[in-house]
Formats: sequence, structure tokens, C-alpha cells
Amino acid sequence: QQQVKQSPQSLIVQKGGISIINCAYENTAFDYFPWYQQFPGKGPALLIAIRPDVSEKKEGRFTISFNKSAKQFSLHIMDSQPGDSATYFCAASIGAGNMLTFGGGTRLMVKP
Amino acid sequence: DGGITQSPKYLFRKEGQNVTLSCEQNLNHDAMYWYRQDPGQGLRLIYYSQIVNDFQKGDIAEGYSVSREKKESFPLTVTSAQKNPTAFYLCASTLDPGANYGYTFGSGTRLTVV
Repeated sequence: QQQVKQSPQSLIVQKGGISIINCAYENTAFDYFPWYQQFPGKGPALLIAIRPDVSEKKEGRFTISFNKSAKQFSLHIMDSQPGDSATYFCAASIGAGNMLTFGGGTRLMVKP
Repeated sequence: DGGITQSPKYLFRKEGQNVTLSCEQNLNHDAMYWYRQDPGQGLRLIYYSQIVNDFQKGDIAEGYSVSREKKESFPLTVTSAQKNPTAFYLCASTLDPGANYGYTFGSGTRLTVV
């Protein structure tokens, strides 16, 4: 059972454009929603995270938007750069235990 | 520098062999995790451990075994019972399982059956 669904699987964006990746979750007990960035041959690295008590969190060019009623959250990458080309994973967890359930990943390519 | 070290980076297994993947962390983290990554399927949890000498099965534990004899070490054994072991294996850790500090991942081990 896939509890976190991520879309699209792949995304091509021109340099300077906005990259948008969406995730939907099923378990209303989830209370922590991180995004991870993974470059080829490397482990994922935490990019940005949000809790359900806020609707938006911004760090530099990266913004998470969170819609609790729709059980959806998304990552927006503004002014996308070729260096942003990577695979992005959304995830969710319930507080105790901190086990993350990951989405299927989105492979982003930013064309120069 | 603190971090998680996974070794080897590449590993080849013959049919019927058991192999062990190493994961060592010097972050003084309490919890450690093993994930399997296959193309298009995201990360799937194999085993996790929140304290020394204790671990629990994740979603796809069949054919795998782990131990947690030391806080800093969490090796994963891929046994011959695992029918399709070719994948990228990631080890992760976090400071406090209840506080959602986020995971630190190692650089992974790519296992191939030959």
C-alpha cells in the first residue's frame, strides 16, 4: 500500500522556470513532511520540511505548500538551475518512531 | 566530519551467497534505518533500530537480517532467501526517533547479482 503518492515521475524544466512536484498522502496521522534531494550515486539529503500547522514554508528558492484538507503538499523550485537536476523525494512520518514513508520520486532535469 | 559511512560502494553477489553491507555512523544518532531503492519505486524500509540490541522489521524485511550490537553500527545481511537483491541500498540515521530531526543518509551500496 503506497501511502504517499508523488507526481510527476519525471520533469523537464527550462533554466529560470518553476519546477513543481506534488505529493498526496492518505494517513491523516502524518505530522512531518520533508523533501529530499538525491544526486546520482549519492544518498538523499534533506532539503526542506514542513509540519501541518503551517501552509507554506520557504527556504531560498525552495517552497513547500501544504494543504491539510486535501492531504496534499508540493515542492516549488523557483528560478530552476541546471544544478537542481536531481531526483526529489517527498516523505511523511508520524511523530513517534520517525519512520519515513517515501513517495516514488521525481527525476528533475533543468535544461540550460 | 560526522556522517554515515556505507561500504562497499559496489558489491557483487553470486546466486546462493549471503553478503553483508556495512553502515557506520559517528553522529551519536540513536536510530538507524535500512532502505532499498529501486527505479521508480522510491525508498522502501527494510529494517530499523531505535536502540542498541533492538530492531524491527520494515515493509520488505523478508530475505534480510540485521544486528545492532553497537550504537554506531547497523550492518545488513542480504541472504540467499532474497530472490531479487539487485538494488541500491541506503542506510540512514536520526538523532531522536520521536523528534523528527530528519534523516542523514549514507552514500549507498549498489548490490548486483551475477
